[in-house]
Amino acid sequence: KAGVTQTPRYLIKTRGQQVTLSCSPISGHRSVSWYQQTPGQGLQFLFEYFSETQRNKGNFPGRFSGRQFSNSRSEMNVSTLELGDSALYLCASSSGQGPALSYGYTFGSGTRLTVV
Amino acid sequence: AQTVTQSQPEMSVQEAETVTLSCTYDTSESNYYLFWYKQPPSRQMILVIRQEAYKQQNATENRFSVNFQKAAKSFSLKISDSQLGDTAMYFCASPYSGAGSYQLTFGKGTKLSVIP
Repeated sequence: KAGVTQTPRYLIKTRGQQVTLSCSPISGHRSVSWYQQTPGQGLQFLFEYFSETQRNKGNFPGRFSGRQFSNSRSEMNVSTLELGDSALYLCASSSGQGPALSYGYTFGSGTRLTVV
Repeated sequence: AQTVTQSQPEMSVQEAETVTLSCTYDTSESNYYLFWYKQPPSRQMILVIRQEAYKQQNATENRFSVNFQKAAKSFSLKISDSQLGDTAMYFCASPYSGAGSYQLTFGKGTKLSVIP
């Protein structure tokens, strides 16, 4: 079955602009999580959506937001971009429920965002 | 609260040799899982091996095995017969339940280089 698809792969934006990243999870998975990966901070949790509802949110400013559609596809949006937002943004898909988590999460290949 | 610590930022190993990557963790979960993920230059995080905390037997997946010491909160990854394709970043991770959902807590990672 198809894996987790993230688009676009690369993105260059200017400070102050906004950006939208997309993630299509594995078919049947209802949970989508987003992570930011930077050399300095490592992997940090942004938020998690399950059945169109945000269930959990990491410690990021309100400029970072997301949503999930009825087909489980998710988007994350970053407004008023700052240089420090340059990072690899990873999306992870899971069934989102209990014991199934023991099988881990399936990640996409990420979107590399560069803010100039 | 949950923390995952990887104390080896970089390691190298000769092809066909064995290498062990270290990970320690702290968790408030009563039952939990531990994962090792591999991130090659292609950027996609790939699940290498998983361990369920209530299982005493160490997990094994082909050339990959873990040494899980629950009392010491240690979860090391052993790679036998190292191959050039094993060159990657390796992350130790554990799901943490907070606010009604799960999020992965990652270590800072170990960059492994396999030398021909």
